[in-house]
Amino acid sequence: EAQVTQNPRYLITVTGKKLTVTCSQNMNHEYMSWYRQDPGLGLRQIYYSMNVEVTDKGDVPEGYKVSRKEKRNFPLILESPSPNQTSLYFCASSFEGDTEAFFGQGTRLTVV
Amino acid sequence: EDKVVQSPLSLVVHEGDTVTLNCSYEVTNFRSLLWYKQEKKAPTFLFMLTSSGIEKKSGRLSSILDKKELSSILNITATQTGDSAIYLCAVIEYGNKLVFGAGTILRVKS
Repeated sequence: EAQVTQNPRYLITVTGKKLTVTCSQNMNHEYMSWYRQDPGLGLRQIYYSMNVEVTDKGDVPEGYKVSRKEKRNFPLILESPSPNQTSLYFCASSFEGDTEAFFGQGTRLTVV
Repeated sequence: EDKVVQSPLSLVVHEGDTVTLNCSYEVTNFRSLLWYKQEKKAPTFLFMLTSSGIEKKSGRLSSILDKKELSSILNITATQTGDSAIYLCAVIEYGNKLVFGAGTILRVKS
């Protein structure tokens, strides 16, 4: 089944403790991206990647890192999480950047 | 600053009503516009619009893009309770940056 898989689905962590949210797709998509969704603000793009070893900042990249060492994986790294990074995070992939994106099921992150 | 604005922010209708959701955008290098439906989990794709004036339809849902007015509408006819969701509009720019609007929350009452 074609899908985008994020892990974990829920995470509660403490300020400053490094964490990684994984994202994997099995559709051989070139384009992958990360979003955060906050009430009243919609989805905001954090980082995107058009291919292996190519990543670019979206609208809200501060406090986040990504890597794209393999086509199928695009992990999101929070080196030192802070409470303002409490949010719902989505990973998405698409064949190319201008085609429909398929979303993962989301990761609800709480930083206390 | 690039932005996508959706209206209304939320609305409540009765089953059978027709609704029109609006999306307007100000982006530097417009490439295409997408509509998504989000229920309790991940957004699911509805439409992608690239050319002005061409309506896309899927069952009771339809959408059209007006590049002159920098806007798009999403119509839902004969609404059902299963249409209750957040409807998201997004614009893809050249360079493949994606900008989402805040969404319209639709609630359909039986």
